[in-house]
Amino acid sequence: QKEVEQDPGPLSVPEGAIVSLNCTYSNSAFQYFMWYRQYSRKGPELLMYTYSSGNKEDGRFTAQVDKSSKYISLFIRDSQPSDSATYLCAIFPGGGKLIFGQGTELSVKP
Amino acid sequence: EAQVTQNPRYLITVTGKKLTVTCSQNMNHEYMSWYRQDPGLGLRQIYYSMNVEVTDKGDVPEGYKVSRKEKRNFPLILESPSPNQTSLYFCASSPSPSGSIYEQYFGPGTRLTVT
Repeated sequence: QKEVEQDPGPLSVPEGAIVSLNCTYSNSAFQYFMWYRQYSRKGPELLMYTYSSGNKEDGRFTAQVDKSSKYISLFIRDSQPSDSATYLCAIFPGGGKLIFGQGTELSVKP
Repeated sequence: EAQVTQNPRYLITVTGKKLTVTCSQNMNHEYMSWYRQDPGLGLRQIYYSMNVEVTDKGDVPEGYKVSRKEKRNFPLILESPSPNQTSLYFCASSPSPSGSIYEQYFGPGTRLTVT
């Protein structure tokens, strides 16, 4: 079983839709959960991170961690064409490693 | 401008011909790392370095070497490249406060093709 699993999509939504992106992870000891965004032909950039469980909100973006089900989610409200990108969940298990999901390609159509 | 730079950005080479991809950061970060990105497999960590002269294996280190002789540079060496190393490579760095390297800054990527 992979440590982090993510549905690769692609996901296509109309402008203004609420987007839900999800990952599952295998080790209940994980504490740091991140979402990175990667535009086409660019390197990933950190969008949000959450420590332990609960929600974290930043503008139109909400990151949610459910430790009981080992599930992490990113919600995008009022999605815009500029949100079109690949979204990667990631877990920091400690030490120097960072473990990424496969990434979900999102397209927001005007 | 604070950034991570990689060179070259694109490289086509032949099996067995040694190559080096350079990575440099100007943010005085202690931590640096290399990843490869392949369709359906996501980003996978090759090697990382917590500080100068300290390197460690990631999840897919086979066929790669690294060195960290100075803080700003972290080159990736392929001594005998093979076609299965055809991939998109990213270098990243992190300020690493208290060892928390979850906030990483990525370079623009190097597209490597090995024929």
